[in-house]
Amino acid sequence: DQQVKQNSPSLSVQEGRISILNCDYTNSMFDYFLWYKKYPAEGPTFLISISSIKDKNEDGRFTVFLNKSAKHLSLHIVPSQPGDSAVYFCAATFNGNQFYFGTGTSLTVIP
Amino acid sequence: DVKVTQSSRYLVKRTGEKVFLECVQDMDHENMFWYRQDPGLGLRLIYFSYDVKMKEKGDIPEGYSVSREKKERFSLILESASTNQTSMYLCATSPGAIGNQPQHFGDGTRLSIL
Repeated sequence: DQQVKQNSPSLSVQEGRISILNCDYTNSMFDYFLWYKKYPAEGPTFLISISSIKDKNEDGRFTVFLNKSAKHLSLHIVPSQPGDSAVYFCAATFNGNQFYFGTGTSLTVIP
Repeated sequence: DVKVTQSSRYLVKRTGEKVFLECVQDMDHENMFWYRQDPGLGLRLIYFSYDVKMKEKGDIPEGYSVSREKKERFSLILESASTNQTSMYLCATSPGAIGNQPQHFGDGTRLSIL
C-alpha cells in the first residue's frame, strides 16, 4: 500500500508564478519529510526537507509546508523558472533508514 | 559532497542473462539502497543494506538479489533477466540513524532486457 501519495502526475505553471506541489501520507509515525528533484537520465537530487516538529522550512525560492493533522505536505516554488521543470518526488521516513517515496509530479514551467 | 557512482549509465542485456549492477559510494555511509523507477510508479525499493553483509528485502525483491561485501559497494544482481525488469535502476546511500539526513542518489542505470 502506498504510504506516500502524490495525486497530481503533472503540473504546468507560467514562469514567474508560484508552483505548488502536493503530497499526502498515511503513516503518522513519519517524522522527516523530503522533496527531491529529478531531471531525465539523472538521479534524484535532494531539494529541501522538514522535520515533524516544524510546520515550515524555507530555502531560497523553495518552501515546504507540513500539516500533520491533515497528513499533508506541500512544496512551494516562487518564482518558478524554466530550469525548475523536472519531476518532483516527496519522501518520508520514521527511522532515518527506510524512505518511502511518492510517484512523482512532473512540473513544466512555461517561459 | 557525497558521490554515488553507478557502474553503467546504459546497459542492454538478453533474457535469461545474469546481470550485475554496481554501486560505489565514497562517504562511509552505513545504508545503501537499490530502487527501480518506472513511469507512474515512482521509486520502488528493491533491497537495502544497513551494514556490510547485511541485507533487507524492500517492496519488490522478487527476481533480484544483492551483495554487500564491503561498506562502500552494493551490488544488485538480476539472477535471470526478464523483459519486465527493463527499467531505470537507482542506487542511494544515507548515513544511517544519526538524525534526519537525506538519501543521496547515483545517476542511475537505464537497463534494457531484450
